[in-house]
Amino acid sequence: KQEVTQIPAALSVPEGENLVLNCSFTDSAIYNLQWFRQDPGKGLTSLLLIQSSQREQTSGRLNASLDKSSGRSTLYIAASQPGDSATYLCAFMNSGGYQKVTFGIGTKLQVIP
Amino acid sequence: EPEVTQTPSHQVTQMGQEVILRCVPISNHLYFYWYRQILGQKVEFLVSFYNNEISEKSEIFDDQFSVERPDGSNFTLKIRSTKLEDSAMYFCASSLWPGQSPAGNTIYFGEGSWLTVV
Repeated sequence: KQEVTQIPAALSVPEGENLVLNCSFTDSAIYNLQWFRQDPGKGLTSLLLIQSSQREQTSGRLNASLDKSSGRSTLYIAASQPGDSATYLCAFMNSGGYQKVTFGIGTKLQVIP
Repeated sequence: EPEVTQTPSHQVTQMGQEVILRCVPISNHLYFYWYRQILGQKVEFLVSFYNNEISEKSEIFDDQFSVERPDGSNFTLKIRSTKLEDSAMYFCASSLWPGQSPAGNTIYFGEGSWLTVV
């Protein structure tokens, strides 16, 4: 059974800072990894998807990496802005049960102007 | 950009009542899902649906729950005899096809339906 952990649970940084959000997982037999953003009371917005065969993906100021051997993924946010304030969730689709995605509880990010 | 739409955005119901949550997945997608998030907890998988049948379900998805695709566009989640612990945000999602490119197996989520059981 896949277990997903996200540390820290909450993070507060000043605007302009580069930051890294961490996600760890227990089962390396994954199909893909997705990072989502969730604003309070809102739905989930897909930010980046990394296939099992890939090591990283980039979109604008966001870069996500995947290291299956260590069971870790990171989301790097460059030059953070107040609009980046949200909860960031990592989620894994496992091989074999590829319709089911297992989520971490998220890291709540606050970027202070 | 195409999106998954859900109705209602918020519903309050009395314990024991039946609730139907509705979703319109992205039009060319083939896989449909329901997830839920109890306040302060993780997003949890409930069920996936493909080719007009359930393809996978979690232990949460018991006989109280059912899903249906009544026509070519809607996808519904029915909760019979609601309980207080069913209070949660319910997310509908869809994807094109898990086996294809990242654009194919990216899962797109709706804005969610808040269900409050009183």
